[in-house]
Amino acid sequence: DVKVTQSSRYLVKRTGEKVFLECVQDMDHENMFWYRQDPGLGLRLIYFSYDVKMKEKGDIPEGYSVSREKKERFSLILESASTNQTSMYLCASSSSAASGANVLTFGAGSRLTVL
Amino acid sequence: AQSVTQLGSHVSVSEGALVLLRCNYSSSVPPYLFWYVQYPNQGLQLLLKYTTGATLVKGINGFEAEFKKSETSFHLTKPSAHMSDAAEYFCAVNPSGGSYIPTFGRGTSLIVHP
Repeated sequence: DVKVTQSSRYLVKRTGEKVFLECVQDMDHENMFWYRQDPGLGLRLIYFSYDVKMKEKGDIPEGYSVSREKKERFSLILESASTNQTSMYLCASSSSAASGANVLTFGAGSRLTVL
Repeated sequence: AQSVTQLGSHVSVSEGALVLLRCNYSSSVPPYLFWYVQYPNQGLQLLLKYTTGATLVKGINGFEAEFKKSETSFHLTKPSAHMSDAAEYFCAVNPSGGSYIPTFGRGTSLIVHP
């Protein structure tokens, strides 16, 4: 069964802490994504990557950075967590084979609370 | 640029009743269209997609959707709701031949009453 695995389901951090959210996929997908999900706002794209060491900003990149050193792993970093970053974070991956017709495979999500 | 509008942040139905979740899109080129479902405490999973060909698309768990180009719609239906259908549903659009980054609607929460 193909999978996108997010290392932490629930995290509680304090304001100002550095936070790492890890995501690993086992499908050899080229593309990986980080979304933020908030009630009433749907999914908002933070960053995406279409290849190793490549990254592009999404709609809400402020306060976040990413790292993709290996094809299967895409990390989201909050350099200095703030309370307005309390949210559900979803990682996804897709193949580039069929361009826009590709389906995204999502992880189960990481719920981050910043106190 | 493309956009997606899902009418109704919450839809409530009785078990056994028809489910209708509305999705309208805008796209400057023919679109690829998707419905994803998110069950509580889980990530999203694909319900169905339209790429080309037949405009009525069947998905998992008895859901189907019809692509209507003239109405720029891709509404999701199921003839008879089940309690297990209670979830968040997201419509997404991607322009054909374009990027691989879909645009998502804000989601519709389906509530099923016994």
